[in-house]
Amino acid sequence: GENVEQHPSTLSVQEGDSAVIKCTYSDSASNYFPWYKQELGKRPQLIIDIRSNVGEKKDQRIAVTLNKTAKHFSLHITETQPEDSAVYFCAAGGTGFQKLVFGTGTRLL
Amino acid sequence: NAGVTQTPKFRVLKTGQSMTLLCAQDMNHEYMYWYRQDPGMGLRLIHYSVGEGTTAKGEVPDGYNVSRLKKQNFLLGLESAAPSQTSVYFCASSPSIFTDTQYFGPGTRLTVL
Repeated sequence: GENVEQHPSTLSVQEGDSAVIKCTYSDSASNYFPWYKQELGKRPQLIIDIRSNVGEKKDQRIAVTLNKTAKHFSLHITETQPEDSAVYFCAAGGTGFQKLVFGTGTRLL
Repeated sequence: NAGVTQTPKFRVLKTGQSMTLLCAQDMNHEYMYWYRQDPGMGLRLIHYSVGEGTTAKGEVPDGYNVSRLKKQNFLLGLESAAPSQTSVYFCASSPSIFTDTQYFGPGTRLTVL
């Protein structure tokens, strides 16, 4: 089955700097890669997702890149702000009937 | 719309006790999920349902049972709680397939002594 690895587990950045979180996956059939943000004591919420027919997607200060050949995808946050402090989870899924598998999370400080 | 709600928010059980967690959604979603979240382990799928009357096992189903008698509700049961089931439990739903956006409930913090 699918296995998703996420690094780093903790990331400290200065306000205004950029942050990059990386995930690798094992199943070449996976083609859907969402990122969820979870603030302390709150529920996970989708912030951005990408599908395998797209190499990069941006939404204001966040972007996700996908390298299907290497089987890895990354979340980029530019001009980090205090409200970006949270745990970020990546996930991978295949066709609509393949379950999502989540990474172990990155705490952004 | 309330979205996805969970009952209760907190619960403390003794080993061997049973309980049921209730998840409700008012978005008419077909798919519903139960996850557990443990420190350093992310979200792991316990059971899921692809429609009313259906259930299936996820990654970590042992010790849990589920039922989806109504489309809007998904129940998670612990028949004989164990300390290893101490966790935060999240319910989620998605419109029609796994790769739709999943909407999460607020979570239930369960402690088993």
